[in-house]
Amino acid sequence: GESVGLHLPTLSVQEGDNSIINCAYSNSASDYFIWYKQESGKGPQFIIDIRSNMDKRQGQRVTVLLNKTVKHLSLQIAATQPGDSAVYFCAENAGGTSYGKLTFGQGTILTVHP
Amino acid sequence: GAVVSQHPSWVICKSGTSVKIECRSLDFQATTMFWYRQFPKQSLMLMATSNEGSKATYEQGVEKDKFLINHASLTLSTLTVTSAHPEDSSFYICSAEESYNSPLHFGNGTRLTVT
Repeated sequence: GESVGLHLPTLSVQEGDNSIINCAYSNSASDYFIWYKQESGKGPQFIIDIRSNMDKRQGQRVTVLLNKTVKHLSLQIAATQPGDSAVYFCAENAGGTSYGKLTFGQGTILTVHP
Repeated sequence: GAVVSQHPSWVICKSGTSVKIECRSLDFQATTMFWYRQFPKQSLMLMATSNEGSKATYEQGVEKDKFLINHASLTLSTLTVTSAHPEDSSFYICSAEESYNSPLHFGNGTRLTVT
């Protein structure tokens, strides 16, 4: 279903802290999940992805955790920097003909204070 | 890395006119392109899936006669907003898929304002 909201959740952290952004997804058939970062006036930027046969994946300063039992996804950012300030979206795909057909979550605004 | 270019980055048009937005994959051939719409402080909503040489597949609730999509080549898809109205004002974003199950590459969006 749609994931639309008029008021995005916000998260404010101090520079150097770790950030955790959460996302609840709706489709139990989804088997591919991606986190995107969107800066003001720009398109989404790929951060990290995970497939449903995994429950954790690490990248550079980022970790994605997937809990299929409760349909929950999280993004952990280590040592958050002011440049990490942006809106973060999770996206899910139920597979089928293309992994490109994504359903986006509502997004979380991350603000990092120096 | 793979780059997707959208043009124009912003456009202002008068109500009743049509606007064309281009989405190009600059250094790869895109088998499939997707068009999204994003209202302020909201998430991205998929409008349609565009495959080269075939008709686009529209999501439920998206008027295909209003949002014309043409995917004439493996590097270009266009979205034409016909007879635009102020409620069509939005941020339109395209993405391109290099091959099946490869990561998506997003363009930087087009801000459409209809006056």
